[in-house]
Amino acid sequence: DGGITQSPKYLFRKEGQNVTLSCEQNLNHDAMYWYRQDPGQGLRLIYYSQIVNDFQKGDIAEGYSVSREKKESFPLTVTSAQKNPTAFYLCASSLLSNYGYTFGSGTRLTVV
Amino acid sequence: GQQVMQIPQYQHVQEGEDFTTYCNSSTTLSNIQWYKQRPGGHPVFLIQLVKSGEVKKQKRLTFQFGEAKKNSSLHITATQTTDVGTYFCADPTGGGNKLTFGTGTQLKVEL
Repeated sequence: DGGITQSPKYLFRKEGQNVTLSCEQNLNHDAMYWYRQDPGQGLRLIYYSQIVNDFQKGDIAEGYSVSREKKESFPLTVTSAQKNPTAFYLCASSLLSNYGYTFGSGTRLTVV
Repeated sequence: GQQVMQIPQYQHVQEGEDFTTYCNSSTTLSNIQWYKQRPGGHPVFLIQLVKSGEVKKQKRLTFQFGEAKKNSSLHITATQTTDVGTYFCADPTGGGNKLTFGTGTQLKVEL
């Protein structure tokens, strides 16, 4: 079955440590996205990529980094520079224009 | 990016009552999408509206796009407990398919 997989589902890290969240899709979608969701709030765009080896900052990119070495994969690194990293992170993919997103099941990151 | 405003923020209804959420933008939208997120889950794409004045139905859900393409609504007829969740509208602000999500409307349905 085609889909988008995020791992792990839950992640705990100590403050000051970098952590990488995985996102893999087998939908042959060109575009991939990372969003952050805080409790009771909407989705805010962190980074997005429309083609391999290229990506753009979203609205809240500070403290995050990404790579797009393969069409299927778009990992997100939450660095120690991110001041409030505890959140629900959602990865999504889509065809390039005017199509709905397919979301992964998300990663809940808790930094203690 | 410009955020689409969504109202109400919360809505509690009795099962069987109707529910409507609205999205409003100060600028003309090329299209608008709607998503549903169940509690503890991830957003799921429901529909995309493109044409001015467009109305689309999915069983008990009716989606509308305003004539000026600056507002949209989602109406649920005779809510059921399975309708519980947060409904988001999203618009492709900034070009391509980069979506800006509305603030969401959280729906709770009581028996």
